[in-house]
Amino acid sequence: NAGVTQTPKFQVLKTGQSMTLQCAQDMNHEYMSWYRQDPGMGLRLIHYSVGAGITDQGEVPNGYNVSRSTTEDFPLRLLSAAPSQTSVYFCASSLGQGFHGYTFGSGTRLTVV
Amino acid sequence: AQTVTQSQPEMSVQEAETVTLSCTYDTSESDYYLFWYKQPPSRQMILVIRQEAYKQQNATENRFSVNFQKAAKSFSLKISDSQLGDAAMYFCAYRSRNRDDKIIFGKGTRLHILP
Repeated sequence: NAGVTQTPKFQVLKTGQSMTLQCAQDMNHEYMSWYRQDPGMGLRLIHYSVGAGITDQGEVPNGYNVSRSTTEDFPLRLLSAAPSQTSVYFCASSLGQGFHGYTFGSGTRLTVV
Repeated sequence: AQTVTQSQPEMSVQEAETVTLSCTYDTSESDYYLFWYKQPPSRQMILVIRQEAYKQQNATENRFSVNFQKAAKSFSLKISDSQLGDAAMYFCAYRSRNRDDKIIFGKGTRLHILP
């Protein structure tokens, strides 16, 4: 049981490049989310999904795209990387609603130069 | 929209002492969940404790306990007998009971443990 797996752990991109951050969970969790963490800003929600085929925008969705074709996977796509997207990205999942807090992946540190 | 506020960006406590981290939130809902997460230098997010809003009793997990004041919309975390391993960033979080129940985080409090 691996929990939530994020790849890669580190990435450096050039401005304008695109890439996909991978997130997979093996716990059959319905809910999955992507957050970015910046100093002094806490964790801000980018996109989330309440089940396969269902996604919605969070607080800071611009420049990012998601899809949820399976329960297990929730990739985050950076369409055209910008220095403002330099951050630590976390994927998280949850079984059902409410009291089950999120299980987090180990994060991806992304630097855009 | 719900908001979560942690007014203390940093705190320090002497090893073996007790420290309280503050959290307030704003919501129009009556039923929801509150969490405290710990993020040590390893960057991993760890769930420390959780509270259901309709339960009056404060949650406790070993040395960690909360003071939940629903009317005041306050949810503070008390760490007793502080240990060096408690040094971390702590995030307060809110989750609605609604179907669309994403988790909202505060900006965090960095806790230093002084030996």
